Amino acid sequence: EVKLVESGGGLVQPGGSLRLSCAASGFTLSSYEMNWVRQAPGKGLEWLSFITISGSTKYYADSVKGRFTISRDNAKNSLYLQMNSLRVEDTAVYYCAREDDLDTFDIWGQGTMVTVSS
Amino acid sequence: QAVLTQPASLSASPGASASLTCTLRSGINVGTYRIYWYQQKPGSPPQYLLRYKSDLDQQQGSGVPSRFSGSKDASANAGILLISGLQSEDEADYYCMIWHSSAWVFGGGTKLAVL
Repeated sequence: EVKLVESGGGLVQPGGSLRLSCAASGFTLSSYEMNWVRQAPGKGLEWLSFITISGSTKYYADSVKGRFTISRDNAKNSLYLQMNSLRVEDTAVYYCAREDDLDTFDIWGQGTMVTVSS
Repeated sequence: QAVLTQPASLSASPGASASLTCTLRSGINVGTYRIYWYQQKPGSPPQYLLRYKSDLDQQQGSGVPSRFSGSKDASANAGILLISGLQSEDEADYYCMIWHSSAWVFGGGTKLAVL
């Protein structure tokens, strides 16, 4: 079964850091570009970051640029999101999503919840 | 002004058709963009429905019924997701998305009620 599973979410204080992981199974991560998307409680989807297959090119939303870093380890079939200087407004469910060769987000994980609160 | 604007909610009756719009900000020409549509039901991640740029450049997601189709209204500078023969299971949030200025951008989403 083709699957993405996020982990690493939790409760963190404002200004703190967290590293999210996204484990791929049922397919080879190294064949796909990948993205992170989040959804605040009761709100819409917000794209955060994109990474090419090799990891050489990365894009970020303005809201997280300079604070979040996307990376991947194709040997471990895993995608990561390092989140620093977290703010209350970063509270959301964080999804990783596979981008296929038609540029569609065809596979999504179930998400991991990040709560930023004192 | 947001890059993509979607009406917050829409309601329609079972068996009817629903037209969900995704309006691009002034100065961004809908004709040059592929518009992607996603459906999200409560407690679940989004699912890809389809993408539409033109009748010659469109793609249906795997397993997505033909009741879901895409189009554009150039005069309104908008992408459209048309759902025909509405069923109760179509009740969900719908998001449009484009690739713009080296970033994926989602619309704010439309909550579709089937009642």
